[in-house]
Amino acid sequence: DAGVIQSPRHEVTEMGQEVTLRCKPISGHNSLFWYRQTMMRGLELLIYFNNNVPIDDSGMPEDRFSAKMPNASFSTLKIQPSEPRDSAVYFCASSFTGYSNQPQHFGDGTRLSIL
Amino acid sequence: AQSVTQPDIHITVSEGASLELRCNYSYGATPYLFWYVQSPGQGLQLLLKYFSGDTLVQGIKGFEAEFKRSQSSFNLRKPSVHWSDAAEYFCAVGGNTDKLIFGTGTRLQVFP
Repeated sequence: DAGVIQSPRHEVTEMGQEVTLRCKPISGHNSLFWYRQTMMRGLELLIYFNNNVPIDDSGMPEDRFSAKMPNASFSTLKIQPSEPRDSAVYFCASSFTGYSNQPQHFGDGTRLSIL
Repeated sequence: AQSVTQPDIHITVSEGASLELRCNYSYGATPYLFWYVQSPGQGLQLLLKYFSGDTLVQGIKGFEAEFKRSQSSFNLRKPSVHWSDAAEYFCAVGGNTDKLIFGTGTRLQVFP
């Protein structure tokens, strides 16, 4: 079975541009998580969905960040406008049932560089 | 509130030596505990998990971890490290919510 698929793997863009990161969770998984990883702050949970509904977005840094999950097989994380401090690796993860006794499966991440 | 502490930021071992990575957690009830490994340029891969039962759990790649409730610890061990084990290792704790709380990670370096 395919794992969590993220695209693009790398994104370089200029400050002020809109950035859209995409994620396809593992088929059958009904929870999806977006994380950000930086050297300074480590791994941070931004938002997670259960059955396509956002459950907790308290980790979203500010209004420039938004996430959607229009169906069970696709999610996006959008940054508009982007800023250099948004440069990081963004991971998507999915799990079954949404209870934390089920392991989360991670994609390979999107490395985002904002110039 | 749940929390995870990985006290060692960076560990260096020789190939073939034994390894123990420390993890301490804070949680009011029985936690769900995980160890993940991250190789450069990749996502986190699950090594092993503890939910209940036998406190010594076996994982992939020859790793094991022991849950010690009295010490609030879930240390990761491997009897003989291979050069390919060089990576970053994350301990995580979950409970009665959907979230996992991750530690700050331990970077393992392996010398030939």
